[in-house]
Amino acid sequence: GDSVTQMEGPVTLSEEACLTINCTYTATGYPSLFWYVQYPGEGLQLLLKATKADDKGSNKGFEATYRKETTSFHLEKGSVQVSDSAVYFCALKDGGSQGNLIFGKGTKLSVKP
Amino acid sequence: GAGVSQSPRYKVAKRGQDVALRCDPISGHVSLFWYQQALGQGPEFLTYFQNEAQLDKSGLPSDRFFAERPEGSVSTLKIQRTQQEDSAVYLCASSLTVVEVTYGYTFGSGTRLTVV
Repeated sequence: GDSVTQMEGPVTLSEEACLTINCTYTATGYPSLFWYVQYPGEGLQLLLKATKADDKGSNKGFEATYRKETTSFHLEKGSVQVSDSAVYFCALKDGGSQGNLIFGKGTKLSVKP
Repeated sequence: GAGVSQSPRYKVAKRGQDVALRCDPISGHVSLFWYQQALGQGPEFLTYFQNEAQLDKSGLPSDRFFAERPEGSVSTLKIQRTQQEDSAVYLCASSLTVVEVTYGYTFGSGTRLTVV
């Protein structure tokens, strides 16, 4: 079945460091891909999305490119801030499904001043 | 409302007790999903409603879990005879249309259930 694998955390960075969180997927169809973020004490929020190959999703300085050839959707940010500390989830929605998302296990990011 | 509202925010249940978790989606949203998030894990799909119709319940882990959305708005997830393995955060999400789910949807803050 469909699945998402993302890098294990926790990840600890200093402010202004570069961030990459790896995400790869397995899907039978042509999925849409998402990154969700969960700040401490809050619900999941959609960070960015891409619905077809080579699309780049971007928001709040974060970017991810849908790479069909490597089945990847890595999350990147050039300069992280303390306020980016959160848990990040990679997810996919298979094109043939009703709409339920399949999530990775999450990667906890801590940014130190 | 402005967002997806879930209640209670926290629930402690004794093993064997029945619980009911409520989700109030954004007004007018057609699609509604329930997810279960165990500690340190990603959310896992439980069930999906389109208006009042439960179109997919393949993720419900046992027949102790039951969900309903009788009028196509508020939804209730009921867990009978709770077990310790039911301890998790239960998340509700909704979207305006069926097509819109392709573009992501809005989650509530969840109900943290602890079975003791």
